[in-house]
Amino acid sequence: GAVVSQHPSWVICKSGTSVKIECRSLDFQATTMFWYRQFPKQSLMLMATSNEGSKATYEQGVEKDKFLINHASLTLSTLTVTSAHPEDSSFYICSARHRGQTQYFGPGTRLLVL
Amino acid sequence: GENVEQHPSTLSVQEGDSAVIKCTYSDSASNYFPWYKQELGKGPQLIIDIRSNVGEKKDQRIAVTLNKTAKHFSLHITETQPEDSAVYFCAASTQAWLVFGAGTILRVKS
Repeated sequence: GAVVSQHPSWVICKSGTSVKIECRSLDFQATTMFWYRQFPKQSLMLMATSNEGSKATYEQGVEKDKFLINHASLTLSTLTVTSAHPEDSSFYICSARHRGQTQYFGPGTRLLVL
Repeated sequence: GENVEQHPSTLSVQEGDSAVIKCTYSDSASNYFPWYKQELGKGPQLIIDIRSNVGEKKDQRIAVTLNKTAKHFSLHITETQPEDSAVYFCAASTQAWLVFGAGTILRVKS
């Protein structure tokens, strides 16, 4: 149980295009999901907290107009990187909170912007 | 806010030996401490967690200890195997989000 999926697993896009990443909790409902960004050989950096039915809460320094988050159902949250640029290339990971404070992570999405 | 420090940054052990990774936290209100294992190119996998009302928890070859007074917690892996090689992250949480340590690269040499 407590499986989280992400789609796509990797994506290559041209500079200026938008990319949508989906995060799904497969066998449980998650009122809260989180989006992280991870650079090579570094720890996870929390970008935003996504709550079902309400606006996401963004961490300081994260542009809300750049990284659009939608949590329209109890099993799905999406992150859209708008007008992507090479500096947005990174490993994006989502997690879903289940039974209190426990977070289960998705497999991650590697984004490469050319 | 919460700050989590993790040591060592890299750890090499011989297969069969034990490995210990230590973390300290700053916020005495933190009450939940998970450990994650991350393999290259994959998302973090929860391997064990402990809550502040417990001092120790064990799951087969993995154990976690918590010292609330000193505000530190440790991951112990016994009888290490090559497949234990990965990056391990500790984290601390109050009620909301997780604050992660910087990670430890564990290499198990066969």
